[in-house]
Amino acid sequence: EAGVVQSPRYKIIEKKQPVAFWCNPISGHNTLYWYRQNLGQGPELLIRYENEEAVDDSQLPKDRFSAERLKGVDSTLKIQPAELGDSAVYLCASSRDRSYEQYFGPGTRLTVT
Amino acid sequence: TQLLEQSPQFLSIQEGENLTVYCNSSSVFSSLQWYRQEPGEGPVLLVTVVTGGEVKKLKRLTFQFGDARKDSSLHITAAQPGDTGLYLCAGSPSGTYKYIFGTGTRLKVLA
Repeated sequence: EAGVVQSPRYKIIEKKQPVAFWCNPISGHNTLYWYRQNLGQGPELLIRYENEEAVDDSQLPKDRFSAERLKGVDSTLKIQPAELGDSAVYLCASSRDRSYEQYFGPGTRLTVT
Repeated sequence: TQLLEQSPQFLSIQEGENLTVYCNSSSVFSSLQWYRQEPGEGPVLLVTVVTGGEVKKLKRLTFQFGDARKDSSLHITAAQPGDTGLYLCAGSPSGTYKYIFGTGTRLKVLA
């Protein structure tokens, strides 16, 4: 069974530029999570989807961050415009449903210069 | 804000030594998980504990959930270089379906 796929793996952009990350969860997993992980710290939840619905986006900085999960499968996380402080690893995870084990993708390392 | 503090933050030991990592909070959690993360990869779940006082063993790793469900520990016996990585605890506040991650413990086991 394929794991959670994320792309790109690395991204370097200048501040004020837009950037997008893509996530393909494990087949059949209804719940999808986006996390941000700063260097040397634990992941912080940005948004959680159950199917197509964003059920917890309380930690998503909505002035510059947006996310979508069309058709309840793949998801995209966008930042526009990026700031220096957005440099981090963005992790996607999926689970069969909200009460089951999360499986993480390898993450996208974003560097904003 | 519910915080999970892990200690120590960094740990460098020789192969064969034992170690314990602690995860503490002032909040009660309905369940707690431990993950290991290697460079360039996402965290991988090691164990989930749900009952206060619960002890689970996974080969050389022993996990314990505090009686009050506010803290947990991970003990590794006879550490090996393959145990090197970032260890993360994550607690789920009661009534939610999300996990709050701890600050992490970076372990390096020297051969």
